[in-house]
Amino acid sequence: DARVTQTPRHKVTEMGQEVTMRCQPILGHNTVFWYRQTMMQGLELLAYFRNRAPLDDSGMPKDRFSAEMPDATLATLKIQPSEPRDSAVYFCASGQEPEYTGELFFGEGSRLTVL
Amino acid sequence: KNEVEQSPQNLTAQEGEFITINCSYSVGISALHWLQQHPGGGIVSLFMLSSGKKKHGRLIATINIQEKHSSLHITASHPRDSAVYICAVSRRPHKIIFGKGTRLHILP
Repeated sequence: DARVTQTPRHKVTEMGQEVTMRCQPILGHNTVFWYRQTMMQGLELLAYFRNRAPLDDSGMPKDRFSAEMPDATLATLKIQPSEPRDSAVYFCASGQEPEYTGELFFGEGSRLTVL
Repeated sequence: KNEVEQSPQNLTAQEGEFITINCSYSVGISALHWLQQHPGGGIVSLFMLSSGKKKHGRLIATINIQEKHSSLHITASHPRDSAVYICAVSRRPHKIIFGKGTRLHILP
């Protein structure tokens, strides 16, 4: 049963700490998205990778957020230093060229609380 | 004005009722997605369509490209259908724009 796997599912941390979220896309998918979901803003795109190359990270605060794909089976989203306003659910999704006609497959999300 | 608007924002109905959720968009798209999110849960893709109609079980999704409008219908609704339903549109090159979602609550 192919699915996108995210870790951790829940994370509570103190302001100023580094947070790393990980995503294992579905094997064979060539695109990976990171989204952030909040009550106020809904789902927002943070970063987009195709074939491991970052093609769009315009939605990501550059001073504290970074996203990478060290290999085809792992995508990471790092926040350093974290702030209370970063509290949200972070979703990873993967697909096969979803920007045109492909279906998106989402992970279960990582719920981050920054105190 | 949001590029993707959903209505209603909240909907409560009795089990068995026919449910319709609407989505209007103001930009050119390559595809439209309907997603389902249960409380505290992940997001599941229900449909992806670029024309016409698709059906899966009790769920039906339609899209009218000329009118820039899509509807998601649920027949014989059940309490387990209670969730947030999100409309999203895909634009070239890769932008996906999400609606704010419709919170559906089906009462037994």
